Amino acid sequence: GENVEQHPSTLSVQEGDSAVIKCTYSDSASNYFPWYKQELGKGPQLIIDIRSNVGEKKDQRIAVTLNKTAKHFSLHITETQPEDSAVYFCAASNSFQKLVFGTGTRLLVSP
Amino acid sequence: GAVVSQHPSRVICKSGTSVKIECRSLDFQATTMFWYRQFPKKSLMLMATSNEGSKATYEQGVEKDKFLINHASLTLSTLTVTSAHPEDSSFYICSASGGTGEKLFFGSGTQLSVL
Repeated sequence: GENVEQHPSTLSVQEGDSAVIKCTYSDSASNYFPWYKQELGKGPQLIIDIRSNVGEKKDQRIAVTLNKTAKHFSLHITETQPEDSAVYFCAASNSFQKLVFGTGTRLLVSP
Repeated sequence: GAVVSQHPSRVICKSGTSVKIECRSLDFQATTMFWYRQFPKKSLMLMATSNEGSKATYEQGVEKDKFLINHASLTLSTLTVTSAHPEDSSFYICSASGGTGEKLFFGSGTQLSVL
C-alpha cells in the first residue's frame, strides 16, 4: 500500500521567512495530493491540493509543487506569519478519497 | 469549503460505558464518510470508511464490534465506542467529501477521555 514520508518533523522560522515542507510517496498510482493545517485540538483544514497532471499550484502565500518522477511533493509558505504556526500534514490518494497521511510537521513562526 | 460538523467536541466517560460521536455534512450530501483516530503529536490513522446505507469498511486491526459505525442518511454518520476503556482515549475525527470532488473536509474532532 501507499506510504507517505514527511520532513522535517519540526520547523522553526522567523516571521517573514519562507517555510518548505517535503513529502515523498511510494505508490506511483497516487494522483491526488492535499495539504492540511491542524491547530491544537481541532480537525485538519484543507489549505491546498494538487493533482498528478499539474506540476505546481499557488494560492496567495501558499504553493505546492509535485515531481511525479521522483514521487516528491512540497508545500511552500512565503512571508510566514505567527498565525501560520500549526501542524501541517501532507497526504496522498490513489483510491478516490482514501487518504494516506504523512507524519506531520510542526511549524513554529516566531515574531 | 464544505462544512462538516462533529459533536461532541469533548467527552469524558467511565470505563465500560458507550459513547456516540456524530458527524454531519451541513451543506452537502456525503455518501462516504471516514473516521480517523489521532494520538497526541501523531498522524491521523484511518479507522473505517462509512458508506451510506451499507456496512462500514474497517481498516486492518480495527475492532468493528468495538467501534460501531452507522451511516443511516446522506448527511449523518455516527461512531459508537462500545464498552470504552482507558486505552480508547484518543482524538477521533470524521471527514467527508464535499459534493462530487475528492476534496475531503474534516470535522473539528472529538477528544474522548475514558476514566
